[in-house]
Amino acid sequence: EPEVTQTPSHQVTQMGQEVILRCVPISNHLYFYWYRQILGQKVEFLVSFYNNEISEKSEIFDDQFSVERPDGSNFTLKIRSTKLEDSAMYFCASNSRTGPNTEAFFGQGTRLTVV
Amino acid sequence: AQTVTQSQPEMSVQEAETVTLSCTYDTSENNYYLFWYKQPPSRQMILVIRQEAYKQQNATENRFSVNFQKAAKSFSLKISDSQLGDTAMYFCAFMVNTDKLIFGTGTRLQVFP
Repeated sequence: EPEVTQTPSHQVTQMGQEVILRCVPISNHLYFYWYRQILGQKVEFLVSFYNNEISEKSEIFDDQFSVERPDGSNFTLKIRSTKLEDSAMYFCASNSRTGPNTEAFFGQGTRLTVV
Repeated sequence: AQTVTQSQPEMSVQEAETVTLSCTYDTSENNYYLFWYKQPPSRQMILVIRQEAYKQQNATENRFSVNFQKAAKSFSLKISDSQLGDTAMYFCAFMVNTDKLIFGTGTRLQVFP
């Protein structure tokens, strides 16, 4: 069964460092998303991406964040200068279409720890 | 604004019994999708069940079923014959087309032997 793959599963970084979280969405999907879940809290939307551009972003997704799909398969989330409060689980998701069978498939998540 | 509310932070149920998790939502849209996701301790997000708003029939997936009341904007999840492996955090979520998912705050379900 096709799945969304995220790497690494766990990333520890020092405050102020740049991190790149990687995702390989399901191959025929067109819509891509990043979500964040701070420990013990709900899952929050960060950004959606379609046709090689951001279609929507939340207020969490400030100038420290960026996304790109550099090679048509990987979908990356970059945090330019990490802060302690960026520590969270980051989920990538992809979706194929509107209408029937619309469903967001999630990766297993990347646990980011900023120290 | 679109919101999802889960009013039960924690629930518990004995193995083999039935439990119902509540969810309400608010939207002005007419066509949308509703989901229940399970998040076990591994923190992976696992889709449990989905419901299209245009369908009147309640969705079922094995031991999981929903009670979808569109007029009341209510979408509860019923778990029958609860199993120890059902212990997890359960999130209700709402989506319009391929827009973002909006999640509730979750209900922590504990299944006791």
